[in-house]
Amino acid sequence: GAGVSQSPSNKVTEKGKDVELRCDPISGHTALYWYRQRLGQGLEFLIYFQGNSAPDKSGLPSDRFSAERTGGSVSTLTIQRTQQEDSAVYLCASSLVDRVNEKLFFGSGTQLSVL
Amino acid sequence: KNEVEQSPQNLTAQEGEFITINCSYSVGISALHWLQQHPGGGIVSLFMLSSGKKKHGRLIATINIQEKHSSLHITASHPRDSAVYICAPEGSARQLTFGSGTQLTVLP
Repeated sequence: GAGVSQSPSNKVTEKGKDVELRCDPISGHTALYWYRQRLGQGLEFLIYFQGNSAPDKSGLPSDRFSAERTGGSVSTLTIQRTQQEDSAVYLCASSLVDRVNEKLFFGSGTQLSVL
Repeated sequence: KNEVEQSPQNLTAQEGEFITINCSYSVGISALHWLQQHPGGGIVSLFMLSSGKKKHGRLIATINIQEKHSSLHITASHPRDSAVYICAPEGSARQLTFGSGTQLTVLP
């Protein structure tokens, strides 16, 4: 596609339910990032994929969070047993790995509301 | 102490003014990103720097690795530049640490 696509754009769920968020990066972008932004707060890094592997998962807030990427393309972020503090906008970005002219391209995010 | 400090937190300028936003960081980095977040929430990547200076249109970004400091400058500011500007140093494992952002308002 032309840009980074995230789905769903909005998700309302009940506390304790699992949710799955999807990110479809720009074709050919090998690097993929997940971030979140809680209401009124700054951006928070969650995880980075280079191809299908995530070298550092320490940014994930708890073991209820997991992420995977298959085929070097689509990534899913799964939150198990959601809690109210998980409510946030979850943003995905992708980039080519170019240490000179690299730019991150952001999706429009998934607004997650946990009731 | 925050790992990334941005200043000012809020900035109001008149159209045409030269604007500087500063970012100091305490972590070791491989690169630093400047991002722009629009009122609707959309985020645009402005620059990635690992040394020196980059320019794109009216925007200039500089970094001093030894002093752990970066600046974003906007020349001839315009109301459409009004946004939150975010500094984000990148660690060796590509993890980003985000500053709290500078809210810029440019008045006509």
